[in-house]
Amino acid sequence: EDQVTQSPEALRLQEGESSSLNCSYTVSGLRGLFWYRQDPGKGPEFLFTLYSAGEEKEKERLKATLTKKESFLHITAPKPEDSATYLCAVQEGSEGYALNFGKGTSLLVTP
Amino acid sequence: GAVVSQHPSWVICKSGTSVKIECRSLDFQATTMFWYRQFPKQSLMLMATSNEGSKATYEQGVEKDKFLINHASLTLSTLTVTSAHPEDSSFYICSALTSGRGETQYFGPGTRLLVL
Repeated sequence: EDQVTQSPEALRLQEGESSSLNCSYTVSGLRGLFWYRQDPGKGPEFLFTLYSAGEEKEKERLKATLTKKESFLHITAPKPEDSATYLCAVQEGSEGYALNFGKGTSLLVTP
Repeated sequence: GAVVSQHPSWVICKSGTSVKIECRSLDFQATTMFWYRQFPKQSLMLMATSNEGSKATYEQGVEKDKFLINHASLTLSTLTVTSAHPEDSSFYICSALTSGRGETQYFGPGTRLLVL
């Protein structure tokens, strides 16, 4: 059973059309939830870390939120350069600092 | 800050040969580094955790004798794929863990391995 589930698998938006990506998790003792952006053929780029329910982080057009069961990555007025795969990963308290990744959401923003 | 490099960025080798991939943290020291493998259209799968000065910890199903990891300094970890076969062809990505408040993994750009 997957511990980290991301939805949707793929999302196509028009430039300026805001939306949200979902990451649901089932781990005991969450140490941290991480969001990364990955462009094709490159390594993941760190975006945010969230540690406790109710926490929010923002960076430019992105805003990440966390509840006890899921996290959302809100994208406001996206631009074509926001097109990428967005990965969610959890760090479980009993597993050291290893990350368990979801399968990602592939976002395409068209002009 | 928190820049991680990998070398080489891509490599093509013949079946049966060994390939070494380097992972360096350029502007910070990393006691712990991680090695991941990513197949097309799939997410990252953790292969092993590399700790400076000690043996690596491998995930279930990863052959430690095939994927040799050496973390000789606080800024360098190496992954050697021994006797590579076509099924080892993949995208290998390393990460380095920052210390202090909020341990975060910063990733390298990845190494594309093609075994013929």
